Amino acid sequence: LAKTTQPISMDSYEGQEVNITCSHNNIATNDYITWYQQFPSQGPRFIIQGYKTKVTNEVASLFIPADRKSSTLSLPRVSLSDTAVYYCLVGDWGLTGGGNKLTFGTGTQLKVEL
Amino acid sequence: ETGVTQTPRHLVMGMTNKKSLKCEQHLGHNAMYWYKQSAKKPLELMFVYSLEERVENNSVPSRFSPECPNSSHLFLHLHTLQPEDSALYLCASSQDRFYEQYFGPGTRLTVT
Repeated sequence: LAKTTQPISMDSYEGQEVNITCSHNNIATNDYITWYQQFPSQGPRFIIQGYKTKVTNEVASLFIPADRKSSTLSLPRVSLSDTAVYYCLVGDWGLTGGGNKLTFGTGTQLKVEL
Repeated sequence: ETGVTQTPRHLVMGMTNKKSLKCEQHLGHNAMYWYKQSAKKPLELMFVYSLEERVENNSVPSRFSPECPNSSHLFLHLHTLQPEDSALYLCASSQDRFYEQYFGPGTRLTVT
């Protein structure tokens, strides 16, 4: 299992760019990196997924260096509504037929203020 | 609205009661999951069903009994629970095992 390490919490202000880094030193060749967002008393929501380099969608960007031992979720111009817990997951999405057990860590509590 | 619904949203039960949590997905997915989330703890994966077959049971006590009658429905039967079982129980589904998961809103369970 590829273990992930994230900061416990981060604070930011509206309009700022927020970068949350996740360490996954023992990531395997077949592992993908996925980020989820969770609001209180709700289920997590998929944000973005990548394998290497950079992935961008309408919500966020995901930067993955060449060694893939870390990844950075970038949220452009955050707002109060982005206050949530962000989880980084690493795992094989079953593409090789086996599939790793994906584990949610403690996540990063992002607090956005005015 | 993620396409995954859970009922009830809130449940209070005594330690000797028997109750069931229901999850339904309208996404045509083949895999379904039960998670437990206790206060200030990470999500704990409890059970995984793929094509209606249980493929993972992560050392969950027998007082929790899952059932997957078809690919759209998942139940979690509860009996003789303990107060420490109070938590948010989340259901999720995905196209196939471990692909992007879509979560329901959860059932807030309180065991008294």
